[in-house]
Amino acid sequence: GAGVSQSPSNKVTEKGKDVELRCDPISGHTALYWYRQSLGQGLEFLIYFQGNSAPDKSGLPSDRFSAERTGGSVSTLTIQRTQQEDSAVYLCASSLDRGPLHFGNGTRLTVT
Amino acid sequence: AQSVTQPDIHITVSEGASLELRCNYSYGATPYLFWYVQSPGQGLQLLLKYFSGDTLVQGIKGFEAEFKRSQSSFNLRKPSVHWNDAAEYFCAVGVNNAGNMLTFGGGTRLMVKP
Repeated sequence: GAGVSQSPSNKVTEKGKDVELRCDPISGHTALYWYRQSLGQGLEFLIYFQGNSAPDKSGLPSDRFSAERTGGSVSTLTIQRTQQEDSAVYLCASSLDRGPLHFGNGTRLTVT
Repeated sequence: AQSVTQPDIHITVSEGASLELRCNYSYGATPYLFWYVQSPGQGLQLLLKYFSGDTLVQGIKGFEAEFKRSQSSFNLRKPSVHWNDAAEYFCAVGVNNAGNMLTFGGGTRLMVKP
């Protein structure tokens, strides 16, 4: 079946502009996660949605970052007033309650 | 707070040789442990996981890992490496009750010599 789908696959933006990254999780998966992978770094947790519960936003690096998940399915990660240090690969993953995470191929964001 | 350490940033092995990638974790409770592999331009694929029971777990692509509580380790092994195993490998610990809130190590990049 279809896996986790992320769009766009690549995004180049100018410093100061806002960007939106989209994630379509696997159908029926109740949990959705955003991670950031900077060059040469491991994966940094950003935000976690589980069902109808309030999201865990503890990993968001600043108030320029926000995310929402509409209808318990699609999620959008928004970065306002982008900075060069926001350049990274943004990975989305989904899972059933206790299942393993299934990752998308990521969105590579470059801020010039 | 939990943490995961992968001491080796880069490893190079010859094709056909055995492989061991190290992973050490710090977590106050019984951990859920995972190994993921990331090929260039791809997302992460789960290789194997440990939740409970037998401490030697088998995964896909001929990989296995052994949980050693006394050493806080979960090293990944493969008896004979293939050229297409070249990738980046991430160890992770699940830190909530469901084991799905993951903290990742920094990754180990594996290169395979012909």
